[in-house]
Amino acid sequence: AQSVSQHNHHVILSEAASLELGCNYSYGGTVNLFWYVQYPGQHLQLLLKYFSGDPLVKGIKGFEAEFIKSKFSFNLRKPSVQWSDTAEYFCAVNADSWGKLQFGAGTQVVVTP
Amino acid sequence: SQTIHQWPATLVQPVGSPLSLECTVEGTSNPNLYWYRQAAGRGLQLLFYSVGIGQISSEVPQNLSASRPQDRQFILSSKKLLLSDSGFYLCAWSSNPSEQYFGPGTRLTVT
Repeated sequence: AQSVSQHNHHVILSEAASLELGCNYSYGGTVNLFWYVQYPGQHLQLLLKYFSGDPLVKGIKGFEAEFIKSKFSFNLRKPSVQWSDTAEYFCAVNADSWGKLQFGAGTQVVVTP
Repeated sequence: SQTIHQWPATLVQPVGSPLSLECTVEGTSNPNLYWYRQAAGRGLQLLFYSVGIGQISSEVPQNLSASRPQDRQFILSSKKLLLSDSGFYLCAWSSNPSEQYFGPGTRLTVT
């Protein structure tokens, strides 16, 4: 069955530490990949996306993600986190023309001052 | 600019009661519309999607139904709620088949 896996459910780190969240998917064929973020009390919002081209994509707030097709992965990174990066992060995959998204279970990230 | 609204924001309903959650989109026409549910500790699961008025596709068998009576209105319903229907319900829209924009969500607790 098609699935999206996020490796960590909870991550706690200090400000200025580097962050990497893993995401793997099991779809064959062409996929569109996304990272969404939900800050406390806010809407789910798009952090970055990959459709085609350069496999290293940059998003908002200093985040970036790398698509590695051979590993079916789309890991999210930020070199130096801030307290305001505390949020829940979701990886999502679209593999059809209807725009349907398959989400991972999410990773709760807590950044301590 | 486009905005998406959902109401109510929170809802507590007894088992066996009906449900109606509403989602409306402003600032765009003929959007694709989606209903997702997020259960505690789990990711978002797609429940329904719609590519036009009266066109509804269901992704999972369940106790819920969806309708799209107007171009920018998407309704999630149930005739009789179950305890397992509790969760956080999110509506989303897209004009591009891939990039979706999410509403604020409705927290439903079935008691």
